[in-house]
Amino acid sequence: ETGVTQSPTHLIKTRGQQVTLRCSSQSGHNTVSWYQQALGQGPQFIFQYYREEENGRGNFPPRFSGLQFPNYSSELNVNALELDDSALYLCARRMTGESYEQYFGPGTRLTVT
Amino acid sequence: ELKVEQNPLFLSMQEGKNYTIYCNYSTTSDRLYWYRQDPGKSLESLFVLLSNGAVKQEGRLMASLDTKARLSTLHITAAVHDLSATYFCAVDLTSGSRLTFGEGTQLTVNP
Repeated sequence: ETGVTQSPTHLIKTRGQQVTLRCSSQSGHNTVSWYQQALGQGPQFIFQYYREEENGRGNFPPRFSGLQFPNYSSELNVNALELDDSALYLCARRMTGESYEQYFGPGTRLTVT
Repeated sequence: ELKVEQNPLFLSMQEGKNYTIYCNYSTTSDRLYWYRQDPGKSLESLFVLLSNGAVKQEGRLMASLDTKARLSTLHITAAVHDLSATYFCAVDLTSGSRLTFGEGTQLTVNP
């Protein structure tokens, strides 16, 4: 049990729509990262939030945006959905302290039609 | 740009056999992660290797890190069917929160 939860589990959207994915965890996880995993590939880093501010971004366009809240929850927003956005979206939390362990949530499967 | 390469990408082996998965990366890093992923599921953390020469073992899996060679290995001993899954290595160049993943090794253990 990683203590990281994501919602919804599955989602179907139409091209051009907007979507918000959510991630929450127990306290103590003050760094959150989001990853996109297309079918048959390794996860790709989207961005990271630390203390409610974006603290690093991968090679994703601005229509991918995020938020982190004081209660350690986080959102990933994707505007103007494209078919290639269909993927498993994973939220990862890093433990505070010296451990570099990073735990992943169960993911949200997004299908864009 | 950091590149992480795994081989093999597909591995079919018989129960009871031993095998090694290799993970090469292009930029010096002291932090190497191994994850397991079952079909349709999320990533399960297996090992975090934090220094040159680090070796960790859990059950039939043993991981090692050679930072000078930029190589990590995941050794499977006496494979069992329950080990069938996709295994990913990932490298971190920053502070433990931005991982670059390999393509994954899809392992199938046959009875």
